[in-house]
Amino acid sequence: KQEVTQIPAALSVPEGENLVLNCSFTDSAIYNLQWFRQDPGKGLTSLLLIQSSQREQTSGRLNASLDKSSGRSTLYIAASQPGDSATYLCAAVEETSGSRLTFGEGTQLTVNP
Amino acid sequence: NAGVMQNPRHLVRRRGQEARLRCSPMKGHSHVYWYRQLPEEGLKFMVYLQKENIIDESGMPKERFSAEFPKEGPSILRIQQVVRGDSAAYFCASSPFVLAGNEQFFGPGTRLTVL
Repeated sequence: KQEVTQIPAALSVPEGENLVLNCSFTDSAIYNLQWFRQDPGKGLTSLLLIQSSQREQTSGRLNASLDKSSGRSTLYIAASQPGDSATYLCAAVEETSGSRLTFGEGTQLTVNP
Repeated sequence: NAGVMQNPRHLVRRRGQEARLRCSPMKGHSHVYWYRQLPEEGLKFMVYLQKENIIDESGMPKERFSAEFPKEGPSILRIQQVVRGDSAAYFCASSPFVLAGNEQFFGPGTRLTVL
């Protein structure tokens, strides 16, 4: 059974800092890994999707990497801003399921002005 | 192109009543997924449907919960005889088709409160 873990559970940084959020998964047989952002009381916004054949994806100040063999992914946020404050979730699709996402518990990020 | 739509956004029910949650996928999407987020917990998969078919219901509670995605109209998640433990945020996601590595797009969720 796939388990997804995110470290740290919470992170508070000053504005402008570069930061890394970590995600690990126990079963490396995945189709893809997706990073989401969730604001309080809101839905999920997809940030980046990395296919199992890819090593990384970039969008603006965000860069996500995937090391499938070691069961790890990282989300790098450059020059953090207060508007980046949210909960960040990673989720993996296992090859055995083909469709359902298994989520980590999230990292709650606070960027202080 | 409208995103995934869910309604109602907030739903209050008393114990024993029925809750019906609706999800309209993005235009052109024929695959729907339901996830539940219990208070202070992560999102958990419930069910995956295509038009008129349940493909994977491995995450659905065995009793009181059912889901459908008819040929016409939205997908419905139905909870009969609700209990306080059903209070949660229920999210729907959709995708255009299922290939290895297809992206899912999420709706804003329905927050169910059971009194």
